[in-house]
Amino acid sequence: ETGVTQSPTHLIKTRGQQVTLRCSSQSGHNTVSWYQQALGQGPQFIFQYYREEENGRGNFPPRFSGLQFPNYSSELNVNALELDDSALYLCASSLAGGDANYGYTFGSGTRLTVV
Amino acid sequence: RKEVEQDPGPFNVPEGATVAFNCTYSNSASQSFFWYRQDCRKEPKLLMSVYSSGNEDGRFTAQLNRASQYISLLIRDSKLSDSATYLCVVGYSSASKIIFGSGTRLSIRP
Repeated sequence: ETGVTQSPTHLIKTRGQQVTLRCSSQSGHNTVSWYQQALGQGPQFIFQYYREEENGRGNFPPRFSGLQFPNYSSELNVNALELDDSALYLCASSLAGGDANYGYTFGSGTRLTVV
Repeated sequence: RKEVEQDPGPFNVPEGATVAFNCTYSNSASQSFFWYRQDCRKEPKLLMSVYSSGNEDGRFTAQLNRASQYISLLIRDSKLSDSATYLCVVGYSSASKIIFGSGTRLSIRP
């Protein structure tokens, strides 16, 4: 059983650029949630994808967008990068539209630095 | 007010000590409760679920008080390997998401 894999592991971008982060869900999981974790903070919910559609969104602006593919993998896109977007971006896969009782498995994250 | 609030610590305690973490949540619609552990520069990992009746897993005991909207984690006989950040997490089945507290940092000293 493969776990959640994220790519790339580290990334440096310039303010104003665009970035795409990728996540492959754990085998058998059909739901992917994305979180942003700034230094010293807990993970903040960005959005979730279930059956290739957005299934809930946190308090993030529209320049944060995503996709889910038929194989349940997912992408997080961030446009017009700002310095405050520097953070660890975590992807978590789960079952049943993100019902917490089915468990969440996290990838090791992508560390994004915006300069 | 944050949806899930924790004392950020850090807690610095000697090996063998008992340490307790507290957490409060603001949304009474919360349906499931967890403690996650996060090591430095790693992803969060589930430590244990929290049930209304309270539950224990070895040296770890978790309690939930729905009336007070309060969750706790007790670590007995702490080990050096317990040093990590402990994240309080609440889940909403209807909203299909889990929400994290900001975490409490624990450091165990020899």
